[in-house]
Amino acid sequence: DQQVKQNSPSLSVQEGRISILNCDYTNSMFDYFLWYKKYPAEGPTFLISISSIKDKNEDGRFTVFLNKSAKHLSLHIVPSQPGDSAVYFCAGYNFNKFYFGSGTKLNVKP
Amino acid sequence: DADVTQTPRNRITKTGKRIMLECSQTKGHDRMYWYRQDPGLGLRLIYYSFDVKDINKGEISDGYSVSRQAQAKFSLSLESAIPNQTALYFCATSEWAGEYNEQFFGPGTRLTVL
Repeated sequence: DQQVKQNSPSLSVQEGRISILNCDYTNSMFDYFLWYKKYPAEGPTFLISISSIKDKNEDGRFTVFLNKSAKHLSLHIVPSQPGDSAVYFCAGYNFNKFYFGSGTKLNVKP
Repeated sequence: DADVTQTPRNRITKTGKRIMLECSQTKGHDRMYWYRQDPGLGLRLIYYSFDVKDINKGEISDGYSVSRQAQAKFSLSLESAIPNQTALYFCATSEWAGEYNEQFFGPGTRLTVL
């Protein structure tokens, strides 16, 4: 049973617009959440994190929002750039383990 | 040079063969992990190790074994490969970055079991 779910397998956005990637979770004990970005033929790379005690974390063009009551987090990318085209994974961390969602493939069109 | 390396990058083998996937890191991290990625399922944890004497099972350890030969080396073995072990395998290390554990992934090994 997946504890972290990404229900949108793909998303297409125009360059310069906002990209919103969503993630739902079932385990209320996660200590923090992370987003990773993955290009083809490479391993995932860390993008941004958010503690379970916060509701927002921002790093440049990337902002993550956490809604604990809904057990939902989202990653906002503003403005989107063609180089952001990749697969994005969200993950939750609890008791020494990371639990990953299935990923969302973002395509940013020029 | 890459901080986390995996060998081989691609491997095709037959059912019943023993396979070893190797992972090396130059980051000096104590924590290392093995994951597999399947379409529609994301990354699932197979095994993890917090030092050379510490080995722990993850979500899907059946059919796999690991060896932590040194701080820098963590190998994953499939004793008798079967077709449903066809997947993309990732090794990772992690370190505490203040508020979270940041993971660093290798480039992956694509394994096909015929």
